Amino acid sequence: EADIYQTPRYLVIGTGKKITLECSQTMGHDKMYWYQQDPGMELHLIHYSYGVNSTEKGDLSSESTVSRIRTEHFPLTLESARPSHTSQYLCASSTADQPQHFGDGTRLSIL
Amino acid sequence: KNQVEQSPQSLIILEGKNCTLQCNYTVSPFSNLRWYKQDTGRGPVSLTIMTFSENTKSNGRYTATLDADTKQSSLHITASQLSDSASYICVVSDRGSTLGRLYFGRGTQLTVWP
Repeated sequence: EADIYQTPRYLVIGTGKKITLECSQTMGHDKMYWYQQDPGMELHLIHYSYGVNSTEKGDLSSESTVSRIRTEHFPLTLESARPSHTSQYLCASSTADQPQHFGDGTRLSIL
Repeated sequence: KNQVEQSPQSLIILEGKNCTLQCNYTVSPFSNLRWYKQDTGRGPVSLTIMTFSENTKSNGRYTATLDADTKQSSLHITASQLSDSASYICVVSDRGSTLGRLYFGRGTQLTVWP
């Protein structure tokens, strides 16, 4: 049974819409991450958080924003979706120096 | 420039055969190297993690090796099964930041045929 949950799994939506991708983990991990992954390409870190009220931008510039109000919850928001935002978004969490646990991702398509 | 290169890009083998996937990295300083398995439509799942002092680690039919001097790692899969069909991703962590930044390879897409 998954310990980190992402919803929705798939989303097809029109340009200009506001989107929130949900990510929740039940492991009590302090660190959480958002990655963007295109087919055949490596994962790119777009946001991370060390803990509640801590958020930082990752290596890949992204127009998305994140929040960390609760330890277990790390939603990602796109205020106005564009076709260039079409991608797979993966959420992960970790503690100390242990390997990250990944969710199954949200595949986002912007028409 | 810190990079992780994986080869081959894709590989097809018959069920029951063995295979070896390669990972070369230029990440410095080095903290640890991880191999992940990513099934189609799923998130990556950790297979092994190795630090500088470890040169081999096994997880069932998966055996990872690490040569920190040549900055090379390999993942050997023994007696492959259809369920081994997936992308295998090499990830290297540095010690350069509090976050322990991760560098991802593009993965090797393995297909196991019956």
